[in-house]
Amino acid sequence: DIVMTQSPLSLPVTPGEPASISCKSSQSLLHSNGYNYLDWYLQKPGQSPQLLIYLGSNRASGVPDRFSASGSGTDFTLKISRVEAEDVGVYYCMQGLQSPHFGQGTRLEIK
Amino acid sequence: QVQLVQSGAEMKKPGSSVKVSCTASEDIFDLYAVAWIRQAPGQGLEWVGGIIPFYETSHYAQKFQGRVTITADKSTNTVYMELTGLTSEDTGMYYCARDSNPGAPRRGLWNWFDPWGQGTLVTVSS
Repeated sequence: DIVMTQSPLSLPVTPGEPASISCKSSQSLLHSNGYNYLDWYLQKPGQSPQLLIYLGSNRASGVPDRFSASGSGTDFTLKISRVEAEDVGVYYCMQGLQSPHFGQGTRLEIK
Repeated sequence: QVQLVQSGAEMKKPGSSVKVSCTASEDIFDLYAVAWIRQAPGQGLEWVGGIIPFYETSHYAQKFQGRVTITADKSTNTVYMELTGLTSEDTGMYYCARDSNPGAPRRGLWNWFDPWGQGTLVTVSS
């Protein structure tokens, strides 16, 4: 199984400040087709998870452009340029290359 | 915008089975697969399996092999997940989600889960 490791697990952020979450996989997520099978999801309190980023760096429909993602192979990063109160929740990375596996989650809270 | 609506909460006894449904608001099965993801109370997300309705093919996480069956009724745009041999460790929220990457699941690639259903709480208790 491909294991996903996120850091930090807890992320207190002041509104308006940037935030960054790291996600590392135990094997490369780069497929021979050139895509990285890595998604980012946000689960807001009391809600179902929602897709933020797919295939490594593509913002999903309706996701604000303050969210961006980068990385390839085994190292990936989700960045929020200016955190807003509505960004509170748990962020998960997920690999889809082999039998999907999610990271442990990173809880973002407002300072 | 397609919506996925799941069946209501279930209370089950240990050793029994549960069958949860997920109905799409429009016909998506000719093009897309549907995944099931579980979340134990206060815990993270865990992929259970998925189905490609057009090809009537299901894929399961190794952990659930032999206990889970995912089926689809294309006439009603509904996918079902049945889990047998329930224990207290199966208590949790079960979500369905559309795999929005057409053709990828056929190659064993599951990703791009969007949208998600509202979740179905399954409680296993004696």
